Amino acid sequence: ILNVEQSPQSLHVQEGDSTNFTCSFPSSNFYALHWYRWETAKSPEALFVMTLNGDEKKKGRISATLNTKEGYSYLYIKGSQPEDSATYLCAHNNAGNMLTFGGGTRLMVKP
Amino acid sequence: EAGVAQSPRYKIIEKRQSVAFWCNPISGHATLYWYQQILGQGPKLLIQFQNNGVVDDSQLPKDRFSAERLKGVDSTLKIQPAKLEDSAVYLCASTRYGRGDAMNTEAFFGQGTRLTVV
Repeated sequence: ILNVEQSPQSLHVQEGDSTNFTCSFPSSNFYALHWYRWETAKSPEALFVMTLNGDEKKKGRISATLNTKEGYSYLYIKGSQPEDSATYLCAHNNAGNMLTFGGGTRLMVKP
Repeated sequence: EAGVAQSPRYKIIEKRQSVAFWCNPISGHATLYWYQQILGQGPKLLIQFQNNGVVDDSQLPKDRFSAERLKGVDSTLKIQPAKLEDSAVYLCASTRYGRGDAMNTEAFFGQGTRLTVV
């Protein structure tokens, strides 16, 4: 994988559903993997910075895992709420400290 | 600490006109990025500065886009002349210098400038 890819591009879920997204990134020259949450009309906000293979981080109902050997990360949201509606971006940081973003997953949670 | 400041928030110009955006990163952050985010796509890196030097500008359309970061603090991004396809949100982000500490690579973003070219 040469680029950072995210799937799905968009997702509509019902309030209370749990959901997950995927971020794929180049496994060579890995330094860090970032997840950001971007609400409309606001700045992207950092959720997690992950550096170690097998890392798992959690913030409230949101958690993320990291596999640096195969080049993927999953973001999970448990019991989605309407306020979780946003675009979720992942970014790969290579050894040169350059941040490359994926296309994002746009989540819409219906009440 | 104060966040990343960008101005203007919104700009509407006609094609072939010029426009400039300004960014003031978080104090002490050595790395500054300009991203272009076209509707429906993820942010695309235009240019990355480390202090006042350019680290990467491989995706900057240099025939019409220019950027500078004098004195290693504020930065301006200019488009001259603008095209319809330049309509996008232009995001500025900054990080502390990250080498040796991956946690310092977290990017802090400004609110962006939404450019509409008509």
